[in-house]
Amino acid sequence: EAQVTQNPRYLITVTGKKLTVTCSQNMNHEYMSWYRQDPGLGLRQIYYSMNVEVTDKGDVPEGYKVSRKEKRNFPLILESPSPNQTSLYFCASTESGPPTYEQYFGPGTRLTVT
Amino acid sequence: ELKVEQNPLFLSMQEGKNYTIYCNYSTTSDRLYWYRQDPGKSLESLFVLLSNGAVKQEGRLMASLDTKARLSTLHITAAVHDLSATYFCAVGRTGANSKLTFGKGITLSVRP
Repeated sequence: EAQVTQNPRYLITVTGKKLTVTCSQNMNHEYMSWYRQDPGLGLRQIYYSMNVEVTDKGDVPEGYKVSRKEKRNFPLILESPSPNQTSLYFCASTESGPPTYEQYFGPGTRLTVT
Repeated sequence: ELKVEQNPLFLSMQEGKNYTIYCNYSTTSDRLYWYRQDPGKSLESLFVLLSNGAVKQEGRLMASLDTKARLSTLHITAAVHDLSATYFCAVGRTGANSKLTFGKGITLSVRP
């Protein structure tokens, strides 16, 4: 079954404690993205990756890092989380070809930073 | 900067009636998406619209795209409770970049 998986699904942590949210897809897609969703703001892109070892900033990259060492995995790293990073995070994987470039979303990770 | 606006942000619908919600965007794009999100869940793809005049229908939902007006509409026919959810539109920029810019979402609530 084609899917995007994220772990953990829920995480409560404290300010400054490094964490990683994993994302994996089994569709051999080249493009992957991370979004955060906040009430009243919709989804905003944090980082994206167009292929292995190719990543770039989205609209709200501050405080986040990513890596893409393998095509299937795209982890999101918070080196020093702060309360304003409390949010719902989605990883997405995108079909490589035109015309639709349809995005498949993971189940989400709800992060609380205290 | 690409901006996507949805309105209204909240809509209370009566069962059995028809409604239309709107998505406006600010710059040229070659694809527009509609997603549904249930509370606490991920996004479910509803429609992908690729060209001016495109119309797609699935059950009680019909989406259309007017690229000249930079407007997409989602028409709901005979609303039912199962349609209660938040609906997002998202616009993809021209080219291979996978970035989507989302609207803030419209929360639909269907009452008896």
